[in-house]
Amino acid sequence: DIQMTQSPSSLSASVGDRVTITCRASQSISTFLNWYQQKSGKAPELLIFAASSLQGGVPSRFSGSGSGTDFSLTISSLQPEDSATYYCQHGYSTLPFTFGPGTKVAIK
Amino acid sequence: QLQLQESGPGLVKPSETLSLTCTVSGGSISSSSYYWGWIRQPPGKGLEWIGRIYYSGSTNYSPSLKSRVTISVDTSKNQFSLKLSSVTAADTAVYYCARVVATIKEGDWFDPWGQGTLVTVSS
Repeated sequence: DIQMTQSPSSLSASVGDRVTITCRASQSISTFLNWYQQKSGKAPELLIFAASSLQGGVPSRFSGSGSGTDFSLTISSLQPEDSATYYCQHGYSTLPFTFGPGTKVAIK
Repeated sequence: QLQLQESGPGLVKPSETLSLTCTVSGGSISSSSYYWGWIRQPPGKGLEWIGRIYYSGSTNYSPSLKSRVTISVDTSKNQFSLKLSSVTAADTAVYYCARVVATIKEGDWFDPWGQGTLVTVSS
């Protein structure tokens, strides 16, 4: 299985701050990396697919980058509604699909 | 707008079989561009992929669950289903169904998701 790790596991930042979450795959997955946002008590929602493509309707303050084994999700100006847990997921052809353990983002 | 909705018992006894159905509305489950999948999340924990099915009935399962999982599709009802046998307390989780967008050039991702349904395994 491809193992996914994320750092940090949690963070607290102020409104307007730039926030970056990193995700690492245990083997190269090209750009087959997706990011999801999960708010408390809700289902996850797709933010970014293929490492850097913004899903329709997602605010432009979210961006993704990376390739190979190292990826990042950046929120350029943190907003109160961004309080959530963020998960990365590999979409590589090597099944099973696996998710990172999540990064919990809190607003100071 | 495509929507998915899980349904099924919220309480299952240990050693019995968990059965859930996902009803797809606003689009056809027979679309050649997509798979349909199940993901679960134990309370307070992360996400675990269970498996996926194509409208033709072709399936892929997580190796860790493969011996106990069956995913099936009913195109006439626009539904797909999950059966997990011999459940234990470790199978207590919120179970989500989702459309799997499968591409050659960009990989696979899950979108949209159903709202999820909590299944508790307890006697």
